[in-house]
Amino acid sequence: AQSVTQPDIHITVSEGASLELRCNYSYGATPYLFWYVQSPGQGLQLLLKYFSGDTLVQGIKGFEAEFKRSQSSFNLRKPSVHWSDAAEYFCAVGLYTGTASKLTFGTGTRLQVTL
Amino acid sequence: GAVVSQHPSWVICKSGTSVKIECRSLDFQATTMFWYRQFPKQSLMLMATSNEGSKATYEQGVEKDKFLINHASLTLSTLTVTSAHPEDSSFYICSARDPLAGGRSNEQFFGPGTRLTVL
Repeated sequence: AQSVTQPDIHITVSEGASLELRCNYSYGATPYLFWYVQSPGQGLQLLLKYFSGDTLVQGIKGFEAEFKRSQSSFNLRKPSVHWSDAAEYFCAVGLYTGTASKLTFGTGTRLQVTL
Repeated sequence: GAVVSQHPSWVICKSGTSVKIECRSLDFQATTMFWYRQFPKQSLMLMATSNEGSKATYEQGVEKDKFLINHASLTLSTLTVTSAHPEDSSFYICSARDPLAGGRSNEQFFGPGTRLTVL
């Protein structure tokens, strides 16, 4: 079964500083990988996804992530964090078999941005 | 495009009553919808997969008689929490998949969530 690990429960960065959120996955085949962001009391917004091809993926809001098969990682990065980026970030791996699909989420990383 | 709505956004009910939560795909047909539960400061846990016109597939440990799922049309799935108790209080999030979305057919589009509080 697939699994996702987000080692950092909580991260605090200063506004304008760079950010990297870690994500490691366990999956027997080439995974479908996603990063979602959740603001308090809200649903999930897709930041970016990796299905195949270029391992460096660009997303919305200036985020990017790099798929590294050798490290089973899909870390999320942003060169300069804005105060509005404070939220909960979830990494997820997708299992797809024909018409079925299932997402497994990591435990999330809460990002706090200091001014 | 690919908007999913949930209703209600929050609900408070008395213990022992049943609560129905609706999940709608507004601009696409969703043959598959998913129901997740999220406890405070925790991740999303998949409860069940709902397929239009057939019975839902429940994850291990989820009581199917407690959480009734109906996917009667291509744009609507409902989750009914029967005989709710305080431990059922949680944030319930649905998502939907558009199998005709081409390159996006494997994405899930999430609703804004429903916060259930059982007194």
